[in-house]
Amino acid sequence: KNEVEQSPQNLTAQEGEFITINCSYSVGISALHWLQQHPGGGIVSLFMLSSGKKKHGRLIATINIQEKHSSLHITASHPRDSAVYICAVDPGSGATNKLIFGTGTLLAVQP
Amino acid sequence: NAGVTQTPKFQVLKTGQSMTLQCAQDMNHEYMSWYRQDPGMGLRLIHYSVGAGITDQGEVPNGYNVSRSTTEDFPLRLLSAAPSQTSVYFCASSYSAGLSNYGYTFGSGTRLTVV
Repeated sequence: KNEVEQSPQNLTAQEGEFITINCSYSVGISALHWLQQHPGGGIVSLFMLSSGKKKHGRLIATINIQEKHSSLHITASHPRDSAVYICAVDPGSGATNKLIFGTGTLLAVQP
Repeated sequence: NAGVTQTPKFQVLKTGQSMTLQCAQDMNHEYMSWYRQDPGMGLRLIHYSVGAGITDQGEVPNGYNVSRSTTEDFPLRLLSAAPSQTSVYFCASSYSAGLSNYGYTFGSGTRLTVV
């Protein structure tokens, strides 16, 4: 069993829909990251969370440390949101830079 | 623009050839790392460095070497390319505060094909 599990693996939505991507993990962490990767593109950091909730534009990320679960929400989705969204956890081991990555959720937003 | 610069973007190698993937960052981050990304798998750590002159192995280090002579540069060397090294490679940098690393910045990736 992977230490970081994302669901769904694939998601197709219509423009304007509210989208939720889930991430569950099985290890103790100091922080959780949400990353975005457009097709053929680089990886961009969206959020780093250690508790609660963060919002940036139409993106909202939440984390429940006790339940070892995080969600990424996209409100009023747009075709430009089409990308792979990756959850990664930092086990908090300090100077090792060893993030543990999920396999990603491929999101396609249709106009 | 500040960030991580990775070159080349695309490369085709023949089995047995060697090459170096370049990675440079201008944010004075002490931590740098190399990952490979394969279909259906999460990014996997190849090698990492916690500062100039210090490197260590990650999850999948075989067939790769690294060095960190300066804070800015962290090249990845493929010694004798094999088809199993066909992948997309990402370099990343970050800095540490307490138990966590912050400011994760990734390069744009190198798509490597070994034939």
